[in-house]
Amino acid sequence: NAGVMQNPRHLVRRRGQEARLRCSPMKGHSHVYWYRQLPEEGLKFMVYLQKENIIDESGMPKERFSAEFPKEGPSILRIQQVVRGDSAAYFCASSPLGLNTEAFFGQGTRLTVV
Amino acid sequence: DQQVKQNSPSLSVQEGRISILNCDYTNSMFDYFLWYKKYPAEGPTFLISISSIKDKNEDGRFTVFLNKSAKHLSLHIVPSQPGDSAVYFCAANSNSGYALNFGKGTSLLVTP
Repeated sequence: NAGVMQNPRHLVRRRGQEARLRCSPMKGHSHVYWYRQLPEEGLKFMVYLQKENIIDESGMPKERFSAEFPKEGPSILRIQQVVRGDSAAYFCASSPLGLNTEAFFGQGTRLTVV
Repeated sequence: DQQVKQNSPSLSVQEGRISILNCDYTNSMFDYFLWYKKYPAEGPTFLISISSIKDKNEDGRFTVFLNKSAKHLSLHIVPSQPGDSAVYFCAANSNSGYALNFGKGTSLLVTP
C-alpha cells in the first residue's frame, strides 16, 4: 500500500514561470490537504480538498495560487508567476475521512525559485 | 500569528537519558494535540496524540503530557536513542477546523 506520493520531489522555476505540484493520496483516501513550510518555519495549512471540491482554502494566498482535486488523477497545487518568496517545501497529506488528525504526509516537493 | 509555539529550536540529549520537548499554545479552542517527527527530506510522520479530555497519553517510549490550564504540552522520550534524532513538531487542532496548526519545531540530537 503506497503512501502519499508527491512529485516532483524537487522543482526549480525561474521568476514568472508556473509551478505545478502533484499529490496522489493513499489508496482509499479522498481527502487531501496542502501545507507549506518556509525556511525555519513550521508547516502552514493552505487548502483542504475532497474529490472535485475545495472545502477550505483559508490558508491559500489570494493571488497566483490555486488547487484542484479532480475526480480522476492527482491533486494539483498550481502557482502562477512564481516569485522568490514562493521557495519552500510543499507537503501534501491525505486522510480517509475528513479528520485532519488521521492525515498521512507525503515526502514533499521542494520548490526553488531562481 | 503563531498559535503553537516551540520555544526551543534545538535540544541535545545523551543516549539513554530522557528527552523533553515542550510546546505552548494560545488558542483555547484547541482540543486535540499531536506530535510529528520529521527527518530531513521526508514528510512529517505522526508520533503520538492527546485529546483535551486527557492529561497524559503513553505509547512505548513516548509520553505526551497536557496541562490545559497552562496551555502547555510536552513530549517525553525515554530512553532516548540515536535514531530519535529528528525535528519534532507540535501541532494542534480544534473540532471546528480542518487545519493543523504547527509549531516551528525542535531539532533533537541524541548523542551516543
